[in-house]
Amino acid sequence: DQQVKQNSPSLSVQEGRISILNCDYTNSMFDYFLWYKKYPAEGPTFLISISSIKDKNEDGRFTVFLNKSAKHLSLHIVPSQPGDSAVYFCAASVEGAQKLVFGQGTRLTINP
Amino acid sequence: NAGVTQTPKFQVLKTGQSMTLQCAQDMNHNSMYWYRQDPGMGLRLIYYSASEGTTDKGEVPNGYNVSRLNKREFSLRLESAAPSQTSVYFCASSFGGRDTQYFGPGTRLTVL
Repeated sequence: DQQVKQNSPSLSVQEGRISILNCDYTNSMFDYFLWYKKYPAEGPTFLISISSIKDKNEDGRFTVFLNKSAKHLSLHIVPSQPGDSAVYFCAASVEGAQKLVFGQGTRLTINP
Repeated sequence: NAGVTQTPKFQVLKTGQSMTLQCAQDMNHNSMYWYRQDPGMGLRLIYYSASEGTTDKGEVPNGYNVSRLNKREFSLRLESAAPSQTSVYFCASSFGGRDTQYFGPGTRLTVL
């Protein structure tokens, strides 16, 4: 039972363009969402988060959008840079829970 | 400040052998986690420890045991390794369940 789903295993974007990574969830109790970025041979690192009381959170080139009615969140990267090439995981948690639930990941490749 | 460290980085086992993966953090975090990453499956939680002295099962605990040795250290033991346990294992820590998790560099385990 995959509660957090990233249906695109990979995405290829030209440098300078917008990258949009998508994530869907099934558990309506999730109220906090995060994105992590992972380079090869390294552990994931935190990128950006959003609480369910918001529908948008921005940090520099990264913006996360949350659509609660659709149980969908997306990560926008503008403009995309070669260093953004990595695997991106979305994650979610329920209030009071001591853990996160991760999606399968999307491999983003930025082409020069 | 080393963050989260994991040993070993690589390990090859034969079916039936046992081993312990070590994890330590120096950030005074309360919570620690063990994940496995498999292609197409994302990060799946094996066990976690919300605080020193407590451990709980995650999504995929079968075949594993854990020990929260003290606040800094959280080990993962495979008593009788199986080929299905071939994976990359990540340890993570955070102040609390919904706080940013910091990951170690991972242990790549192959079971023949």
